[in-house]
Amino acid sequence: QKEVEQDPGPLSVPEGAIVSLNCTYSNSAFQYFMWYRQYSRKGPELLMYTYSSGNKEDGRFTAQVDKSSKYISLFIRDSQPSDSATYLCAMSATGNQFYFGTGTSLTVIP
Amino acid sequence: DTAVSQTPKYLVTQMGNDKSIKCEQNLGHDTMYWYKQDSKKFLKIMFSYNNKELIINETVPNRFSPKSPDKAHLNLHINSLELGDSAVYFCASSSALDEQYFGPGTRLTVT
Repeated sequence: QKEVEQDPGPLSVPEGAIVSLNCTYSNSAFQYFMWYRQYSRKGPELLMYTYSSGNKEDGRFTAQVDKSSKYISLFIRDSQPSDSATYLCAMSATGNQFYFGTGTSLTVIP
Repeated sequence: DTAVSQTPKYLVTQMGNDKSIKCEQNLGHDTMYWYKQDSKKFLKIMFSYNNKELIINETVPNRFSPKSPDKAHLNLHINSLELGDSAVYFCASSSALDEQYFGPGTRLTVT
């Protein structure tokens, strides 16, 4: 079993929709959780960084962590065509070594 | 001013050759990483260095050898390249318990 599971999609939504991206994990020691966005032929860039459980909001993006269910989510409100990218979740127990999901490919259609 | 830079961006080479990829960061970070991303976008850590010292060494063939001449540089040397080594290799850096900044990637194609 992989440390981190993420549905690869692809996911296609109309502009303005709310997007929900999810990851599950098996290691209960994970306490650092990140979401990265990766445009085609570019390196991943950090979107959200959460420590332990709870919610974090930044503009149109909300990250949720449910440690009891070993489940994390990223919500994108009012999705834009510029949000079209691959979204990778990553998590770590120590803050040094991060385990990445396989990424979900998102296309927002104008 | 680029935070994490890698050279070359593209590398096409034949099986059996030896090649190097260079990485530099100007963020003052103590920790640097090499990741391999396969065709399915799965990003897997290969190595991590903290202050020039190897701290993470995942199950990677010993044909891959990282070298950190100083804490701003982490190079990756690959011997006897194989078809399965074709992937995008990302360098990243971070300070303790903080986000990782990724380089633009090196797309390696082995023919």
